Order: sequence, then C-alpha cells, then structure tokens
Amino acid sequence: GAGVSQTPSNKVTEKGKYVELRCDPISGHTALYWYRQSLGQGPEFLIYFQGTGAADDSGLPNDRFFAVRPEGSVSTLKIQRTERGDSAVYLCASSLTSDRADTQYFGPGTRLTVL
Amino acid sequence: AQTVTQSQPEMSVQEAETVTLSCTYDTSESNYYLFWYKQPPSRQMILVIRQEAYKQQNATENRFSVNFQKAAKSFSLKISDSQLGDTAMYFCAFEGATNKLIFGTGTLLAVQP
Repeated sequence: GAGVSQTPSNKVTEKGKYVELRCDPISGHTALYWYRQSLGQGPEFLIYFQGTGAADDSGLPNDRFFAVRPEGSVSTLKIQRTERGDSAVYLCASSLTSDRADTQYFGPGTRLTVL
Repeated sequence: AQTVTQSQPEMSVQEAETVTLSCTYDTSESNYYLFWYKQPPSRQMILVIRQEAYKQQNATENRFSVNFQKAAKSFSLKISDSQLGDTAMYFCAFEGATNKLIFGTGTLLAVQP
C-alpha cells in the first residue's frame, strides 16, 4: 500500500483479555517502530524492529507486552491480561532503514479501550 | 536521558497570519535530528519538517520554517500564511543515537477564520 496501515482502527476489550494489534509497514521498509500515545501526551517509544529482530525493546512497560515481526514485514503487538491503564492509541511507524537519516512514517493508529 | 519540552499547550492564530511554536530539548549528544510532526483529529502523525543538528542552515518547507539554536537547544517552528487546514496538534521530536523518537507533549494550534 501507499502508507502504513494499522488494524483494527478501534478495539474495545474487557480487563484481563488478550489483544493483538497489527501493523503493515510501507513496502520495502526494513525498520518498524511501535509507540503508545496516552490521552494528552506525545507518543512514547515501545519497541523497534530491524528486519525480523527486535533491535530495541526497552520501551515495553512490562512482560504483558510482546511484539513480533516474523517475516520482516507485518508486525503484531500483543498485550496479555489487559489493564485499564493500557488504554491508549498505539501507533506504528516504518522507515526505509534504521538509519537516522530515514524518516519514520506513521500509520493512523489503533485506539485501544480497556473497560 | 533526552527530554523534549513544549511549553505552549495551546495557541491560536488568525488565518493568513504567522505563528511560532516553541520547543526546547536536552541532550548530551552532538549529532542528532529534530522534527516537527502534525497530528490532525484523524490521528495520523504527518512529518512537517526536519533538521539535522550538524547543519547550521535552518530547514524550510514551503510555509514552514524552523529556528534552530543548537547552543540554546531550541527548535521553534514558524508557520507563515496560516491556513484553516493547519489546525492540529503539533509535536516536536528528537532522535539521537538510539533511533527512537522522543516527543514533547504537543501544542494544540487553532487557526481562526
């Protein structure tokens, strides 16, 4: 596709449930990033992939959060035992490479609401 | 650790006027990138302009320009000839050696007709 796409656009779940959020990067982009944006805040880094491997997962808040990118393209962010504090917009971005000279292009995000 | 500060939670400007959004940052690195992103109600973060720290010349993109003061660690965005479509949240961001973007808390810009 022309840009980064994310599905679903909105997700409502109950406390304790498991959710998966999907990101399709721009074709050919090898680097993929996940950010979380809480209400009234700027996005905060969660994890980034270079190819299939997680190059930096230092932003994941705890072990309930996990992300994969098995074929170096689509990525899935997985959240186990969701809590109300996980409610936020989850943004995905991709760039041609992980070189800082390459711009990160963002998707429209998934709004997660945990009831 | 790097930090990015946007001290103006909200700004308002009349259509066709000029407005400047402020951003300061803190880092011990010498080579880094700075960005302004726009986020309309659609949530999509759109890159407005970027500046490489080793370049002394201020970046310009059509109606958007920056005033980059490296010694003062200041990176302001000037929007000329403001248009209704410029209404959005604007985020200043820093990218250093770690490849991850560090964002400020944003400035909500309202362009009034």
